[in-house]
Amino acid sequence: QVLLVQSGAEVKEPGASVKISCKASGFTFTSYFIHWVRQAPGQGLEWMGIIDPSGGSTSYAQKFQDRVTMTRDTSTSTVYMELRGLRSDDTAVYYCARVYYGGNFPVGYWGQGTLVIVSS
Amino acid sequence: EIVLTQSPGTLSLSPGERATLSCRASQSISSNYLAWYQQKPGQAPRLLIYGASSRATGIPDRFSGSGSGTDFTLTVSGLEPEDFAVYYCQQYGSSPFTFGPGTKVDIK
Repeated sequence: QVLLVQSGAEVKEPGASVKISCKASGFTFTSYFIHWVRQAPGQGLEWMGIIDPSGGSTSYAQKFQDRVTMTRDTSTSTVYMELRGLRSDDTAVYYCARVYYGGNFPVGYWGQGTLVIVSS
Repeated sequence: EIVLTQSPGTLSLSPGERATLSCRASQSISSNYLAWYQQKPGQAPRLLIYGASSRATGIPDRFSGSGSGTDFTLTVSGLEPEDFAVYYCQQYGSSPFTFGPGTKVDIK
């Protein structure tokens, strides 16, 4: 079955960086786009960006363009999301999610989420 | 960027009642690439509807989606106790793939 397993919770100081991993299994890694979505405490869902694991191409939301990098390692079927210059309002649960089917489909499979707390 | 507006913010209903949730886009969504998700506390969202009206695998037929262009609706015909949750719409027709702010369906 499709499984996305994310790295554990992180506590970071303002200005630091965080890199979250998302290990995929149960499907052909290079055939499905992976999205990153975050959710601040008590708030809604916010789309951050997308990576094509096949070639590594990415597209980021304008809001994160200068601070985020999404990469992949095809040898381990893992995608990564690094967010730099952390601020208190980056405190959130970060999800990786795979598209439902190949092609232009929404996300249908989610990781368990990674809580990132930004605090001094 | 396409902005999605959901209404109402909160819907208070009793089990068995019909829920009608609205999602309005600031511009037309290409190919009706509009999805609906359900989220319960402490859980990741669950895909309910894609392509405005297609149910995802395993989703009960009491959930239905409709609409096109800029106006979309999610209907739950006969709320079950497990349906009380927050519902989000998302457009995936053009990047950034924005979400609406959500509608909370709670027990009256």
